[in-house]
Order: sequence, then C-alpha cells, then structure tokens
Amino acid sequence: EVQLVESGGGLIQPGGSLRLSCAASGFTVSSNYMSWVRQAPGKGLEWVSVIYSGGSTYYADSVKGRFTISRDNSKNTLYLQMNSLRAEDTAVYYCARLDYSGSYNDYWGQGTLVTVSS
Amino acid sequence: SYVLTQPPSVSVAPGQTARITCGGNNIGSKSVHWYQQKPGQAPVLVVYDDSDRPSGIPERFSGSNSGNTATLTISRVEAGDEADYYCQVWDSSSDLWVFGGGTKLTVL
Repeated sequence: EVQLVESGGGLIQPGGSLRLSCAASGFTVSSNYMSWVRQAPGKGLEWVSVIYSGGSTYYADSVKGRFTISRDNSKNTLYLQMNSLRAEDTAVYYCARLDYSGSYNDYWGQGTLVTVSS
Repeated sequence: SYVLTQPPSVSVAPGQTARITCGGNNIGSKSVHWYQQKPGQAPVLVVYDDSDRPSGIPERFSGSNSGNTATLTISRVEAGDEADYYCQVWDSSSDLWVFGGGTKLTVL
C-alpha cells in the first residue's frame, strides 16, 4: 500500500528556515516523480516543486531561489528545504507522487502545516 | 504562464447532474486531471487524462476536454459529493504543473 507521511511543519518567524520531510512506503521515491503542493488557509492548491526520477528539479516562481527539493534514497524520503520564509508561505504543504508519465498526482500525503509569523 | 479558470461555485440538487468547467488556452491539446478535496482532507484524484477514472472512483464521475474548455461531470449527485474540485494540467512549455482556482460544489 502506498503511503506518504509528511512532517516538519510548525511555527517559524519570517526570514527563518524549515525542512519538511515526506516518508514514503509501498514504492520507491527515487524511481518516481515526486512533488510538493501547498494550500494557504482558505485558498486553492498551488504547485511548489517537483523532482524527477533522474534528479532534475523545477520550482514555482514564487519559491525559486528560496526552496530546495531533494530526496534521500536510503531513507525513501522526500524533503523540502525552505529558506527566507515569508508570511505568504503560510500553508499546508502536501507531498504527492506523480504518475509514471509525470502528469498528475496519484497519491497524496495528509499534509503538514507551516505558519510563518512573528 | 499557463492559466486555468474555474467558476468559484456550482450548486446542484441531489440526483441531478453537476458540470464543472476548466478554461484554458487550447486546453484541448493538453491532458486535464481533476481532484476532489473535502474539508480538512488531502485532495483525491477523481479523473485523469481528460476522462479516465482511477480505481475506486464511481462511474458517476466523468470528464471531457475540447477546444478551450475541459469539463468534469458528476451524474446523480449525492450529498457526499459536496467538496472543492480542482483541475490541473502539466504545461510542457515551462515544465510547470498548474492548478485551477477550484470550484466549490454545493449540494442543495
């Protein structure tokens, strides 16, 4: 059974850093496209970042240069390093597996809340 | 960047048919995917590649895509279908994934 479990969210001051983790089971992270999607309170879904099975990474313009997606193959875990956090980064962050074609998210985690506030 | 436009809300009586649209420039040339999100829960894929259903999704959920509009159709709507629905595409020109703004389906 495919499972994704995010952790690492919390309250952080503006300008601070946080690293989110997404532990996967039931499949191999490194063999799949993996993404992060966020949802600000009361708002819609916003794609944040993706890492291809080959290691290429892409980011939304809103986080480019501040966020870094990575994975640890030995731990079968996906990460999102978030630096220079802003109030507008406040959101629930979901990790999600992309299908074999990399087109849509077929499995999602339950999400972890990041609150950026002083 | 590519933009997807959805109506903020759609209302329908139980047993009727709900149609949720997703507009985009020449969206018919792209594969469109739809997610259902209930309050406090993660999104769930309900239609992929315009009109295919993942296992476990009722046949009442169907999709179509042509020209500048994709449509998610929910037949014989039930109270449990009340949720937010999001369309999504992959924009190959920018290697970015794009979501529509979401549509709140209300079952009257």
